[in-house]
Amino acid sequence: DIQMTQSPSTLSASIGDRVTISCRASQAIGSWLAWYQQKPGTAPKLLIYFASTLETGVPSRFSGSGSGTEFTLTITGLQSVDFATYFCQHHNRSSWTFGQGTKVDIK
Amino acid sequence: VQLVQSGGGVGQPERSLRVSCVASGFTSRYYAMHWVRQTPGKGLEWVAVISDDGKTASYTDSVKGRFTISRDNSRNTVFLQMDSLRPEDTAVYYCAREVDYYFDHWGQGSLVIVSS
Repeated sequence: DIQMTQSPSTLSASIGDRVTISCRASQAIGSWLAWYQQKPGTAPKLLIYFASTLETGVPSRFSGSGSGTEFTLTITGLQSVDFATYFCQHHNRSSWTFGQGTKVDIK
Repeated sequence: VQLVQSGGGVGQPERSLRVSCVASGFTSRYYAMHWVRQTPGKGLEWVAVISDDGKTASYTDSVKGRFTISRDNSRNTVFLQMDSLRPEDTAVYYCAREVDYYFDHWGQGSLVIVSS
């Protein structure tokens, strides 16, 4: 099975900061990667798929990059509504795998 | 698009529970549907998928033989029947719609607690 490892686990940032979250796959997965945002008590929300395609309605301050084994989610100009936990996700055959999550909190 | 869940609750070990997910705002029979669960300790874990026509299903290893995903496209509803429950099945369960191997819409979540 392919493992997805996110770093860091927690990230403290300020409003307006540029934030980067990494996701590493245990083997090459092409561009088959999605990013989700989750706030406490709510379901995850799809932000980015195919590594860099922004889901409809997601603000352009979110961007994704990478391919193969290394992927990055970037938030350029962090806003108060962006404090949340972020997960990466990959599909392989008939199995779907999530990273362990990165919590972005207020510095 | 809405996915509205019901069911779950508290169940004893080795007993059964069922969660349901009613879809609206789209033609659910055109989409594969999934169940994903979340625990504080293990984060998000994919549980099961059912094809758009209900003919094929896959499960994560830890629930194979115990959980059954099914759907009734006439009622736009997906089910997760959970039998032989274990304490480690305690989690919030989400249904989710799949598009191109990603989950673009999620239900609100259903808490399942397995405890004697």
